[in-house]
Amino acid sequence: EDQVTQSPEALRLQEGESSSLNCSYTVSGLRGLFWYRQDPGKGPEFLFTLYSAGEEKEKERLKATLTKKESFLHITAPKPEDSATYLCAVTGANSKLTFGKGITLSVRP
Amino acid sequence: SQTIHQWPATLVQPVGSPLSLECTVEGTSNPNLYWYRQAAGRGLQLLFYSVGIGQISSEVPQNLSASRPQDRQFILSSKKLLLSDSGFYLCAWSYSGNTGTGYTFGSGTRLTVV
Repeated sequence: EDQVTQSPEALRLQEGESSSLNCSYTVSGLRGLFWYRQDPGKGPEFLFTLYSAGEEKEKERLKATLTKKESFLHITAPKPEDSATYLCAVTGANSKLTFGKGITLSVRP
Repeated sequence: SQTIHQWPATLVQPVGSPLSLECTVEGTSNPNLYWYRQAAGRGLQLLFYSVGIGQISSEVPQNLSASRPQDRQFILSSKKLLLSDSGFYLCAWSYSGNTGTGYTFGSGTRLTVV
């Protein structure tokens, strides 16, 4: 059974204080690892897809990396508008998307 | 471009009442469709998925059912709601075959059973 574990559960940062969010996974035949952003009361919004170990993707202050066992979402110089819940998910040989519980990020001005 | 619509945004229903949530996708054909429920502290739980009209797979036995009467329409139903059915319900779609392209989510329905 595919599993995704995200840590920490919650993270509070000062504006400009860089940090990383962790996503550990076990999956049979990884087809993709996904990062989503979710604002309160809204559906998850797609951020990145990573397909193989060593791959990296960037978007503004966010950078996602992937190894064979985990993925990191690095946030550089965050701003208050980066506050949200960040979800990690994997899809494997069964073609189903399995989500972690998410990391709630709060960025104080 | 593809869009996904989900309604209503919020719903308050008494225990024992029926439920019908609707989701439609535009701009693509033969999508895979999904219903998820999100409860606080428990993450996203897959309830149902469909790879075609009339084809429904249930992931979790429960008080809910799903139907796909048209290619781009997905409906979540219940005959009698329970308090435990409260939660945030999300519809999503992906390309058929799901070669690792991920899902696109609707805006969600907040259901409160009272």
